[in-house]
Amino acid sequence: GAGVSQSPSNKVTEKGKDVELRCDPISGHTALYWYRQRLGQGLEFLIYFQGNSAPDKSGLPSDRFSAERTGESVSTLTIQRTQQEDSAVYLCASRAGTGDEKLFFGSGTQLSVL
Amino acid sequence: GIQVEQSPPDLILQEGANSTLRCNFSDSVNNLQWFHQNPWGQLINLFYIPSGTKQNGRLSATTVATERYSLLYISSSQTTDSGVYFCAVGINFGNEKLTFGTGTRLTIIP
Repeated sequence: GAGVSQSPSNKVTEKGKDVELRCDPISGHTALYWYRQRLGQGLEFLIYFQGNSAPDKSGLPSDRFSAERTGESVSTLTIQRTQQEDSAVYLCASRAGTGDEKLFFGSGTQLSVL
Repeated sequence: GIQVEQSPPDLILQEGANSTLRCNFSDSVNNLQWFHQNPWGQLINLFYIPSGTKQNGRLSATTVATERYSLLYISSSQTTDSGVYFCAVGINFGNEKLTFGTGTRLTIIP
C-alpha cells in the first residue's frame, strides 16, 4: 500500500477485555515496529520484527501483551485482560530494511480502557 | 540503555522566526532520525541523518556523531510547523530498536 495502515483508528473497551490491533506495513518493507504513546509523552518501544528473524520483544511491558507477524506482511498486537493504564495510542511503523533506514509511521490506534 | 535528551522541551515563536532544536544521546549511534508529530498525531519522517548535514527546503539537520548530538534547524517558521519534534536513535545495525527522545513542542504564533 501507499503507507502504513492501522485499524481500528479508535477502540474503546472495558477493563478486563482482550483487544487486537492490526498493522499493514508498506508493501515490501521487511522491518516492522510497534510503539506506545501515552497522552503528552514520548514513544515507548514495544516490539520489533525483521524479516524471518526472531522478534525483539524487549519492550513489551507485561505478558498480557503479545504480537505476531505473518511473513513480511500484516502484524497484530494483542492485549489481554486490558487495564486502564493500557490506554494510549499504539503506533506501528515500517522500514524497507534494505539499506534505507527511514521509518514510516501509521496514524495509530487510540485505545481507551474504561 | 541509550539515553536521548531533547532541548528545549517547549518553544514558542512568532511566524517567520528561526529555531534550533537539539538532541543529545549517550552512546555511539548508527541510526538517527528526526520526526515531526503534527497536532493530529501523525508522525512524519523529516531526516535520516546518522552523521553529516542534510537540507530539505526550510529544514536542515546536522549530526556530529563524535560529540553525540544532532541539531534540527527550522528557518522562516510557519504555523504548519507547530507540533512536537522527536529525534530517535539506534545503535545495533540490522536490529534497531529505535529509542525516542522526549520531544520538543514547537508552537508558531501567527
